Amino acid sequence: EAGVAQSPRYKIIEKRQSVAFWCNPISGHATLYWYQQILGQGPKLLIQFQNNGVVDDSQLPKDRFSAERLKGVDSTLKIQPAKLEDSAVYLCASSAGTGDVDEQYFGPGTRLTVT
Amino acid sequence: GQNIDQPTEMTATEGAIVQINCTYQTSGFNGLFWYQQHAGEAPTFLSYNVLDGLEEKGRFSSFLSRSKGYSYLLLKELQMKDSASYLCAYMDSNYQLIWGAGTKLIIKP
Repeated sequence: EAGVAQSPRYKIIEKRQSVAFWCNPISGHATLYWYQQILGQGPKLLIQFQNNGVVDDSQLPKDRFSAERLKGVDSTLKIQPAKLEDSAVYLCASSAGTGDVDEQYFGPGTRLTVT
Repeated sequence: GQNIDQPTEMTATEGAIVQINCTYQTSGFNGLFWYQQHAGEAPTFLSYNVLDGLEEKGRFSSFLSRSKGYSYLLLKELQMKDSASYLCAYMDSNYQLIWGAGTKLIIKP
């Protein structure tokens, strides 16, 4: 079974530029998560999708971050414009979504550096 | 509120046993997860406890006490490859995972 795929793996941009990350979840997984993990901290949930609908985006800075999951499969996370404090690893995870408590499978992450 | 704590860093010797503690405070609880994260890699699932007691899985065991808001991960027969960060996370009343900052475990020969 192929795992969660993410691209790019690394990205360096200047502040005020835009950036987009892509995630392809495990085939058949209904639930998709985007997390932000700052160095030395645990992951922080940005947004959760169930199929192509948003379940929770309460911690997404909506003035600069946006995410979509068209057709309930792949997802993109965009930052526009980026700030220095956005430097972090952006993790995508997916779960089967068959129950309330599902194991989450993580992708390798995208390490973003904003200079 | 959301409050979860674990030690920042621990050191242990190859072949020994180490216990990583995690305490949490929450009004809604749907279980506690432990994940392993090697440097520069994604977290991988280790265990899930929803009832009190000890769950054993090979060299790794996880314990939960809901009344005390306490869990620990026990690693036996430590190997160098166990050097990693160990993240605990509880699932709140909305079935969202609330993560600790992780415990960096350093294994010495």
